[in-house]
Amino acid sequence: AQKITQTQPGMFVQEKEAVTLDCTYDTSDPSYGLFWYKQPSSGEMIFLIYQGSYDQQNATEGRYSLNFQKARKSANLVISASQLGDSAMYFCAMREGNQGGKLIFGQGTELSVKP
Amino acid sequence: DAGVIQSPRHEVTEMGQEVTLRCKPISGHNSLFWYRQTMMRGLELLIYFNNNVPIDDSGMPEDRFSAKMPNASFSTLKIQPSEPRDSAVYFCASSKQGLTEAFFGQGTRLTVV
Repeated sequence: AQKITQTQPGMFVQEKEAVTLDCTYDTSDPSYGLFWYKQPSSGEMIFLIYQGSYDQQNATEGRYSLNFQKARKSANLVISASQLGDSAMYFCAMREGNQGGKLIFGQGTELSVKP
Repeated sequence: DAGVIQSPRHEVTEMGQEVTLRCKPISGHNSLFWYRQTMMRGLELLIYFNNNVPIDDSGMPEDRFSAKMPNASFSTLKIQPSEPRDSAVYFCASSKQGLTEAFFGQGTRLTVV
């Protein structure tokens, strides 16, 4: 069964430091996509980064990178050089190919960046 | 592009009343998702459509909830009758079919009193 787990309800990081947000997943489908979204206090859901199951290299988007370890079924988000504006909820999500593209989310991690 | 458009942004209704939430997906997208977000349960997938056809409605909590997508540019989520425990933020999202990212609307904050 398709499942996404985020075990860190809350995280703190000092401004300008790097932080890793954990995400593990479970699927029997060899074709899937992994996503990270940011939800600031204003409530909107913002897409950050995508990793396909067949991608050989880890995805990067600016200060965001995805540490994809397929054998361990983990897809951790790394934010480098944290900024105060990075304080938000972060959601990991997965979409399976054989489910017609069903998109499910983890429980989320609340990141607080300290000045 | 205007993005995914949801209406209304806020809805306050009395218990027992019918509530209809509306969503206009991004043009050219053929997958549409409805989610409910609460503090207790997080972001739950209620139902999703591909090419206007419901694919999986296993997340719909009970028969009081129904969703339709009569055409590629419009979807509704209806709650009848509404109950206080339905109070939540309801998101609509759309994407191209396949393993691509979904784009979210601003959400509808529903309060049932």
